[in-house]
Amino acid sequence: AQSVTQPDIHITVSEGASLELRCNYSYGATPYLFWYVQSPGQGLQLLLKYFSGDTLVQGIKGFEAEFKRSQSSFNLRKPSVHWSDAAEYFCAVVSSNDYKLSFGAGTTVTVRA
Amino acid sequence: SQTIHQWPATLVQPVGSPLSLECTVEGTSNPNLYWYRQAAGRGLQLLFYSVGIGQISSEVPQNLSASRPQDRQFILSSKKLLLSDSGFYLCAWSVKNYGYTFGSGTRLTVV
Repeated sequence: AQSVTQPDIHITVSEGASLELRCNYSYGATPYLFWYVQSPGQGLQLLLKYFSGDTLVQGIKGFEAEFKRSQSSFNLRKPSVHWSDAAEYFCAVVSSNDYKLSFGAGTTVTVRA
Repeated sequence: SQTIHQWPATLVQPVGSPLSLECTVEGTSNPNLYWYRQAAGRGLQLLFYSVGIGQISSEVPQNLSASRPQDRQFILSSKKLLLSDSGFYLCAWSVKNYGYTFGSGTRLTVV
């Protein structure tokens, strides 16, 4: 069965510190991978996506993610977090031959001063 | 440019009442349309998707239904709401699977 796993439910990080959010997927076909961010009570905003090519993807707000096929992972990183990065982050995957986007359970990021 | 509109933003409804949430997309033709639900403290669950007018696929058995009367309109309905229908409902559109854009969501509380 296809699945997306975000192992960390909640991460607390100090402002200015680096951040890494983990995402693992299990898909039979070639996956298309996405990271979204959700502020409280808001919709989802796309941070970045990977379809093919360079496995290191740059996104908005200073985020990047690296696709590692051998590890079935697509981890999100930011070198230096800002207080405004406090939000919930979702990894999502769709097969190249499908339409249904599947989400991980999400990781809540808290930023402390 | 493409935009997606979803309303209402918040809704409080009594158990047993009907529901109608509407989603419209502008600036694109023949999009794939989706309804997701996000329960408190949980991820997003795909409820319905549509690849064309009148074509609805249901992902999970439930008390809800969806319709697509026009190319860029997607409606989520219920004849009688249950307490368990409470949640945050998100509409989304995509062209094939190249990218998914989400609406701002509807917070539904069934009381």
